Amino acid sequence: SAVISQKPSRDICQRGTSLTIQCQVDSQVTMMFWYRQQPGQSLTLIATANQGSEATYESGFVIDKFPISRPNLTFSTLTVSNMSPEDSSIYLCSATTSGASSYNEQFFGPGTRLTVL
Amino acid sequence: GNSVTQMEGPVTLSEEAFLTINCTYTATGYPSLFWYVQYPGEGLQLLLKATKADDKGSNKGFEATYRKETTSFHLEKGSVQVSDSAVYFCALSDRSGGYNKLIFGAGTRLAVHP
Repeated sequence: SAVISQKPSRDICQRGTSLTIQCQVDSQVTMMFWYRQQPGQSLTLIATANQGSEATYESGFVIDKFPISRPNLTFSTLTVSNMSPEDSSIYLCSATTSGASSYNEQFFGPGTRLTVL
Repeated sequence: GNSVTQMEGPVTLSEEAFLTINCTYTATGYPSLFWYVQYPGEGLQLLLKATKADDKGSNKGFEATYRKETTSFHLEKGSVQVSDSAVYFCALSDRSGGYNKLIFGAGTRLAVHP
């Protein structure tokens, strides 16, 4: 298993500003992901954070709005840029440990609750 | 594309009642199936999983059986407790695009009253 922590746990931000969310895993993992959970909604995958290369973004998400870094096998950051109230969501980091065979068991961080005023 | 459909909530039950939350999926190939639970104010936790047809996942009194013929993975518990109140998400693993990712259903909120 993997224990995932996120910082900050919550924040209230002004529109037009940017926030960087950090994700730390307690062991080396093969893949890390960032999800968005809008109020009362399910989880939507934003991107896969690739170690040493550019993130892979899902349809509807772009690097300019959600730049992602993954400098090593245990750490990643997601930046929410030029925020608007529509960006108010919970942002979750998840990871898959190496050794997963035919399925990917993902472990999730506690989430970062973002409110944009 | 692959997708997951869950029954709409909220589901409201009395303690010790029987629980069923329906989940059906659309997928090419043979995905793995999962149930995740999100307790109030917390992140997601894996509740149970099944990796192939007819597998039964179980944990904490919850069960779900991977039914390929009906493309279903319904979650059941024989006797719910107040502490089971949470949002439950059905998910499948999507290996298209050359890497694994999870596709989630909309989530079903369960409220259990004493």
